[in-house]
Amino acid sequence: NAGVTQTPKFQVLKTGQSMTLQCAQDMNHNSMYWYRQDPGMGLRLIYYSASEGTTDKGEVPNGYNVSRLNKREFSLRLESAAPSQTSVYFCASSSGSWSYNEQFFGPGTRLTVL
Amino acid sequence: GQQLNQSPQSMFIQEGEDVSMNCTSSSIFNTWLWYKQDPGEGPVLLIALYKAGELTSNGRLTAQFGITRKDSFLNISASIPSDVGIYFCVQNTGNQFYFGTGTSLTVIP
Repeated sequence: NAGVTQTPKFQVLKTGQSMTLQCAQDMNHNSMYWYRQDPGMGLRLIYYSASEGTTDKGEVPNGYNVSRLNKREFSLRLESAAPSQTSVYFCASSSGSWSYNEQFFGPGTRLTVL
Repeated sequence: GQQLNQSPQSMFIQEGEDVSMNCTSSSIFNTWLWYKQDPGEGPVLLIALYKAGELTSNGRLTAQFGITRKDSFLNISASIPSDVGIYFCVQNTGNQFYFGTGTSLTVIP
């Protein structure tokens, strides 16, 4: 039981390049999330998927797209990377229950855009 | 949007001391969560609180859901070096999770 896995762990891009961050969970969770974390700040929600087939914008969605490929996988795409997108990206999943909804986080992807 | 004020921003304490941190919110949510983030890792849930007034312990950690539902505190007793990290308060309703800015804890042996 690996929990939440993310690939890659590190990535360096040039401005304008595109890339996709991958996330998978093996806990049969309904909901999945993408966050970014900048120095000295908490986590800010980029997009989330409440259930397979649905996605919704979070607090900072501009410059990103997501795909909920199936119940296990939720990918984040940067179409044209910008230096402002240099950050640590975390994927998380949760059961989606209204009464008990603990989030489990992946180890993060450290992205630098030059 | 939702605002969570977490304090203090950072703490430097001697091993063995007790620690207290808190969060206040501009809104009422159903759940308060406390997470810890070790350096280079994702956050891990420490304690979850689901009812106003609830007081919950997890080993040396104790957390309370404020009566007004707009605040919560986390206490750590007899700190040890592995308590080092960033502690986040989080408010949750359904699929909405709002993170505080974190309290960075340094424990001096």
